[in-house]
Amino acid sequence: AQSVAQPEDQVNVAEGNPLTVKCTYSVSGNPYLFWYVQYPNRGLQFLLKYITGDNLVKGSYGFEAEFNKSQTSFHLKKPSALVSDSALYFCAPRLNDYKLSFGAGTTVTVRA
Amino acid sequence: NAGVTQTPKFQVLKTGQSMTLQCAQDMNHNSMYWYRQDPGMGLRLIYYSASEGTTDKGEVPNGYNVSRLNKREFSLRLESAAPSQTSVYFCASSGGHRPIQETQYFGPGTRLLVL
Repeated sequence: AQSVAQPEDQVNVAEGNPLTVKCTYSVSGNPYLFWYVQYPNRGLQFLLKYITGDNLVKGSYGFEAEFNKSQTSFHLKKPSALVSDSALYFCAPRLNDYKLSFGAGTTVTVRA
Repeated sequence: NAGVTQTPKFQVLKTGQSMTLQCAQDMNHNSMYWYRQDPGMGLRLIYYSASEGTTDKGEVPNGYNVSRLNKREFSLRLESAAPSQTSVYFCASSGGHRPIQETQYFGPGTRLLVL
């Protein structure tokens, strides 16, 4: 079955420290992988995506993600977290032309 | 360029009432989607419209109907609301010629409470 897993419900980091949000996926065929962020009481905002090419993808707000085909992972990273990065993060593999697979997401809290 | 807009922002219904959630996009996108978000369950696809004039069921279509009124607008209708439909509803759209690679852009959401 095609799916996505974000193994950590919550990630807590201090401001200025590196932030990593983990994601593993299971899809048939070529993986097309997306990261979204949701701030409280807001819609989802697109951060970055992997379609093909370089395994390191750079996105909005200083975030980047590394695609690892052998480990079927697509972890989101930020070298130096900000308090304003506190939000709910979703990894979403594309299952077919129109369907994204969303898990429950990971809540990130960055403390000052 | 407003992106994806949704109305209303918040609605309270009584069980059995009907309502229509409106969504519009100004990005000239072909595809539009309706999701619901429930605590601990991420987003689940209700219906989608690959192009004007077509609609298809997603993961959780029961209790809902949709209309792709034109290229810009995609509405979601609850004919007889139930408490299980209490949720946050998001509309999204995507464009381009290779749908599987395209980014979906989301609206701000509609919070629906069914009593």
